[in-house]
Amino acid sequence: AAGVIQSPRHLIKEKRETATLKCYPIPRHDTVYWYQQGPGQDPQFLISFYEKMQSDKGSIPDRFSAQQFSDYHSELNMSSLELGDSALYFCASASTGNEETNEKLFFGSGTQLSVL
Amino acid sequence: KQEVTQIPAALSVPEGENLVLNCSFTDSAIYNLQWFRQDPGKGLTSLLLIQSSQREQTSGRLNASLDKSSGRSTLYIAASQPGDSATYLCAVDNNAGNMLTFGGGTRLMVKP
Repeated sequence: AAGVIQSPRHLIKEKRETATLKCYPIPRHDTVYWYQQGPGQDPQFLISFYEKMQSDKGSIPDRFSAQQFSDYHSELNMSSLELGDSALYFCASASTGNEETNEKLFFGSGTQLSVL
Repeated sequence: KQEVTQIPAALSVPEGENLVLNCSFTDSAIYNLQWFRQDPGKGLTSLLLIQSSQREQTSGRLNASLDKSSGRSTLYIAASQPGDSATYLCAVDNNAGNMLTFGGGTRLMVKP
């Protein structure tokens, strides 16, 4: 079965650079979520999109922005990178209209971002 | 603000043992609770999801219970195997938006 695909798997950037992370949800999933997991930390919710519209916003810095496109893939754009942005960034998708799997999240393998 | 705590933080058991992982949360007005498994450097795999109106869910050797009034959930793993070694995370959804609040996880090691 198709899973959530994230690219790239690893990304190394320097301070003040920009980064773009991509997420391709499971086919027919209409909702995408972004989570950040720092070293030794539990995942923190950043932002979510439903049907290409932002639905909820968590602890996402103003330097970050995200969007969901017409094909439902999503991109997380990160600017003015700081050392503290080094983390594993997860994307998850869900189908909010399917009663059997409603709200159950399926996570991608994550993008490991290292800011030097 | 919701806070989720998992006990123990780490657990090492011999193969074949039955074990219980604990999760507690401070705000009992939850929508659902999920248990995830995370392997080192990997994504999270959803194991079980319990709606607020449910008491338990079972999948194979896994059984999760929910006592919303006391703010507790347990994950029971029967006949543990070395392949069960991973970090198990409990996460709570308070508003049906999948803005999950995670616990710190329990790192499980099952020794052959």
